Amino acid sequence: DQQVKQNSPSLSVQEGRISILNCDYTNSMFDYFLWYKKYPAEGPTFLISISSIKDKNEDGRFTVFLNKSAKHLSLHIVPSQPGDSAVYFCAASGGSQGNLIFGKGTKLSVKP
Amino acid sequence: DAGITQSPRHKVTETGTPVTLRCHQTENHRYMYWYRQDPGHGLRLIHYSYGVKDTDKGEVSDGYSVSRSKTEDFLLTLESATSSQTSVYFCAISATGGPGTDTQYFGPGTRLTVL
Repeated sequence: DQQVKQNSPSLSVQEGRISILNCDYTNSMFDYFLWYKKYPAEGPTFLISISSIKDKNEDGRFTVFLNKSAKHLSLHIVPSQPGDSAVYFCAASGGSQGNLIFGKGTKLSVKP
Repeated sequence: DAGITQSPRHKVTETGTPVTLRCHQTENHRYMYWYRQDPGHGLRLIHYSYGVKDTDKGEVSDGYSVSRSKTEDFLLTLESATSSQTSVYFCAISATGGPGTDTQYFGPGTRLTVL
């Protein structure tokens, strides 16, 4: 049973516009959430994280929002750039689950 | 970038042969992990280590074994490779490994093909 779900396998956005990537989780004990970016033939790169005591964390063009009641988090990229084209993975940990649980990823394409 | 290397980067082998993948880190991090990535499955944990000679199973550990004799090295062994183990394998490290603080940093990956 998937504990971390990324329901959109792909997303296409125009350069300069906002990209919104979504992630849902089922385990209410998760208290730490991360986003990773992955280019082809490379390892995942840590992007941004958020603890459950916060509802927003911002780092430059990247903002992660956490809605604990809905068990939902989202990654906003503003403005989107062609170099942001990659697969984005959502991950979570917490409670008895000490290790990270990853979603299946969303492939973002930013068109010039 | 975290100092993580994986070797080999690519390997083609035959069914039934043993295969060992190596992960080497220069960060002196306590925790090390092996994942596999397959289409439609994201990243799945195979085994992890929380110290020298201390290892534990992950979600998809069947058919794999690991060893960690030094802080910097974590080996993944496929005792008898099968075609279902064709995948991209990633090593990761983290300083703490505990819930709530577990930011992991990944190596470049090893693409393994089992014919």
